[in-house]
Amino acid sequence: EAGVTQSPTHLIKTRGQQATLRCSPISGHTSVYWYQQALGLGLQFLLWYDEGEERNRGNFPPRFSGRQFPNYSSELNVNALELEDSALYLCASSPPGTSGRGDTQYFGPGTRLTVL
Amino acid sequence: AQSVTQLDSQVPVFEEAPVELRCNYSSSVSVYLFWYVQYPNQGLQLLLKYLSGSTLVKGINGFEAEFNKSQTSFHLRKPSVHISDTAEYFCAVTSGGSYIPTFGRGTSLIVHP
Repeated sequence: EAGVTQSPTHLIKTRGQQATLRCSPISGHTSVYWYQQALGLGLQFLLWYDEGEERNRGNFPPRFSGRQFPNYSSELNVNALELEDSALYLCASSPPGTSGRGDTQYFGPGTRLTVL
Repeated sequence: AQSVTQLDSQVPVFEEAPVELRCNYSSSVSVYLFWYVQYPNQGLQLLLKYLSGSTLVKGINGFEAEFNKSQTSFHLRKPSVHISDTAEYFCAVTSGGSYIPTFGRGTSLIVHP
């Protein structure tokens, strides 16, 4: 069974540009989570999508947005890039109809975004 | 609100020695607790989780953790580490009505030969 995949692996942008990151969940998983992992800060929750709807959003500005497609894949968009947006962006998925708060999240390898 | 503190940012240890990675959480309601491992250039992988029942939880790769409600801790242990255990370890908690785990800042386990 294929795991969570993310593309691209690396992305280099300049300040002010827009970045688009993509995630494909494990087959059968309907929830997708996005996290930002900046150096020394651990994982910061960005967005949660389930069944095509945004369910929750972390404490990030509106220029961080995304969507989930009918096939449950997801896209994270970051507009007006700033230098501090440089980080590893991780996507995770979880299956439907499980225990909710106790769900295991299955992570992809991440996209390394560098803003120059 | 829920929060997680990983008390050590880095833990160096020699191969075949025991190790304990510390995690304390803060929550006023019942909790679910997780340990994830991140190997270099990879995403996170679940080591173990506590949902209910026995407070001693056994995970993959010989790791175990003990849930201590009175001390609000969930420390991770392994009796004998290998070089291949070198990685970043994250403790996480969900509680109350939140479906989103809060992660600690991570502990870098460095195993020396």
